[in-house]
Amino acid sequence: AQSVSQHNHHVILSEAASLELGCNYSYGGTVNLFWYVQYPGQHLQLLLKYFSGDPLVKGIKGFEAEFIKSKFSFNLRKPSVQWSDTAEYFCAVTSNRDDKIIFGKGTRLHILP
Amino acid sequence: DSGVTQTPKHLITATGQRVTLRCSPRSGDLSVYWYQQSLDQGLQFLIQYYNGEERAKGNILERFSAQQFPDLHSELNLSSLELGDSALYFCASSVSLPASTGNTIYFGEGSWLTVV
Repeated sequence: AQSVSQHNHHVILSEAASLELGCNYSYGGTVNLFWYVQYPGQHLQLLLKYFSGDPLVKGIKGFEAEFIKSKFSFNLRKPSVQWSDTAEYFCAVTSNRDDKIIFGKGTRLHILP
Repeated sequence: DSGVTQTPKHLITATGQRVTLRCSPRSGDLSVYWYQQSLDQGLQFLIQYYNGEERAKGNILERFSAQQFPDLHSELNLSSLELGDSALYFCASSVSLPASTGNTIYFGEGSWLTVV
């Protein structure tokens, strides 16, 4: 069955620490990959997306993600986090095999000032 | 502001009742998606419409139904409500189908439903 796994449910970091959030998917066909962020009390916003081309994708606010096809992964990274990065992060996948967009369960990131 | 409008923002109702959540997609967007977000289940895909037609179905209960109207707005109907239906219901929209290259899904601010 199609699925998206985010292994880190809750991450706590200090400001200036480096961040890597894991995302693995189980999905057939050609995939499109997304990371969304949900700040407290707000709706989901797109951070970055991968459709084709360079597997290293750069998004807003200094975030980047790397698509590694052989590992079915699309991990999100940021070299130096800020307190304002405190939010919940969702990985999502679509495939050319159907019209579903499947989200992972999310990772809650808490940055200590 | 994503351009996706959801009403109502908050709703409190009793068990057994029926409610309707409304979504207006971004101007020009043909696809509408409904998601349910709860603490224990995360973000669950419910259903998707494209230009008035149902395109994909996720974990949507039989007590729930949705439709997309000719003007492209969508409604999610929740009936025989149970305590466990309390959640944040998101609507999202996109220009075309999910797998289309370059397609981005934009989310509304959600409708908070509390069933008491």
